[in-house]
Amino acid sequence: KAGVTQTPRYLIKTRGQQVTLSCSPISGHRSVSWYQQTPGQGLQFLFEYFSETQRNKGNFPGRFSGRQFSNSRSEMNVSTLELGDSALYLCASSLLASGELFFGEGSRLTVL
Amino acid sequence: KQEVTQIPAALSVPEGENLVLNCSFTDSAIYNLQWFRQDPGKGLTSLLLIQSSQREQTSGRLNASLDKSSGRSTLYIAASQPGDSATYLCAVRSLSLASGGSYIPTFGRGTSLIVHP
Repeated sequence: KAGVTQTPRYLIKTRGQQVTLSCSPISGHRSVSWYQQTPGQGLQFLFEYFSETQRNKGNFPGRFSGRQFSNSRSEMNVSTLELGDSALYLCASSLLASGELFFGEGSRLTVL
Repeated sequence: KQEVTQIPAALSVPEGENLVLNCSFTDSAIYNLQWFRQDPGKGLTSLLLIQSSQREQTSGRLNASLDKSSGRSTLYIAASQPGDSATYLCAVRSLSLASGGSYIPTFGRGTSLIVHP
C-alpha cells in the first residue's frame, strides 16, 4: 500500500512569488492536513480537509490556502512568498477526520 | 490554547538502556495523543496513537501511556538500539475555539535521541 506522496520534494523560490504543493493521500483516506515545520516554531498546523471541505484552520495568514479534490488529493498554495516561509511543508492523511495521522516526506521550500 | 512540552529536549544513551520520554500538555480535554519519530530531513513516522478513552498502547519495544488528569504522556522504549536514534514528537489533538470549535493537533518540540553503540 503506497504511503502519502508529496511533490515536489525540494523547490527554491524568490520573494513575492507563489508556490503550489501537492499531496496524494493513502488510498482510501479522505482526510488531508498540512503542516509547516521550521527550526524556530517547530511543527505547526495549517489546515485540514475532509471530503473536499476545509474543516479546521490554524493561525496562519490568508496567503496560505489549500483545497482538496474529489479523489482526496490536496494542494496548498502560498502567495506573495516571504523569507520566513522557508520551511519543510508536511502533509498527512487519515482515514477519518481526527484519526491517526500518516505523514509524507515533505516539500522543502527555500525562499531567497 | 493547548501547549505541549517535551522533556528532555535531547538525550544520549548507550545501547541497551530503557528510556522514558515525556510529553505534557496544558488542556486535558483532548481527543487523542500520537507519538511520532522523525529522522533528519524526513517526514514523521507514526509510532503509537492513544485515544482519550485509553490509558496505554504498546507496539513491540514501545509503550505509551496517557494520564489526562495530570496532562502527561510517557513513551517507554525498551532495550534501546542505535536505529532508535531520531527525534521523537508527541501531538495532542484538542478542541480549538480559534478554529471554530474543531479538534486540531498541537505538537511538542520533540526529544532528540542518540543511542550510541
